[in-house]
Amino acid sequence: GAGVSQSPSNKVTEKGKDVELRCDPISGHTALYWYRQRLGQGLEFLIYFQGNSAPDKSGLPSDRFSAERTGESVSTLTIQRTQQEDSAVYLCASRPSGGSYEQYFGPGTRLTVT
Amino acid sequence: AQSVSQHNHHVILSEAASLELGCNYSYGGTVNLFWYVQYPGQHLQLLLKYFSGDPLVKGIKGFEAEFIKSKFSFNLRKPSVQWSDTAEYFCAADNQGGKLIFGQGTELSVKP
Repeated sequence: GAGVSQSPSNKVTEKGKDVELRCDPISGHTALYWYRQRLGQGLEFLIYFQGNSAPDKSGLPSDRFSAERTGESVSTLTIQRTQQEDSAVYLCASRPSGGSYEQYFGPGTRLTVT
Repeated sequence: AQSVSQHNHHVILSEAASLELGCNYSYGGTVNLFWYVQYPGQHLQLLLKYFSGDPLVKGIKGFEAEFIKSKFSFNLRKPSVQWSDTAEYFCAADNQGGKLIFGQGTELSVKP
């Protein structure tokens, strides 16, 4: 079936602009995660949605970052007033409910802030 | 604090050589452990996972990993690498369904 999809695949923006990144999880997956991968570094957790529970926002690096999820479907990650250090690949993952803890990753959005 | 560390940043091997990539974790309580792989130009995919039971787990493409609780380790192994194993490998851990904590990644280059 279809995997996790993300759009856009690439985004170049000027410093100070706002950007929105989109994630479409696998249908039926209740949990959705956002991660960031900066050049030469590992993946950093940003935020986690699980059903109707309050999201775990503990990884968001500043209040310029926010994310929303509509029910158990699409999620958008918004970065306001982008800075050069926000340049990274932003990855989305989803996971079904139940005993499987495997997360399925999308292809990512490469964000470049000039 | 929860953390995962990978000892090697870049490993270069010739085809048919044996591979072992180190991974250590620092976690309280029950932990699930994963190895993910990212081939050039592709997205992250799961190689193998450990939740409970037999500490030696086998994954795709001939990879295996051993969970050693006393050493807080989950090293990845393959007896004989191929050129197609060239990729970046990430060790990760979670507390049963929560966020994944990733290691820094190990880039593996296999020379034909």
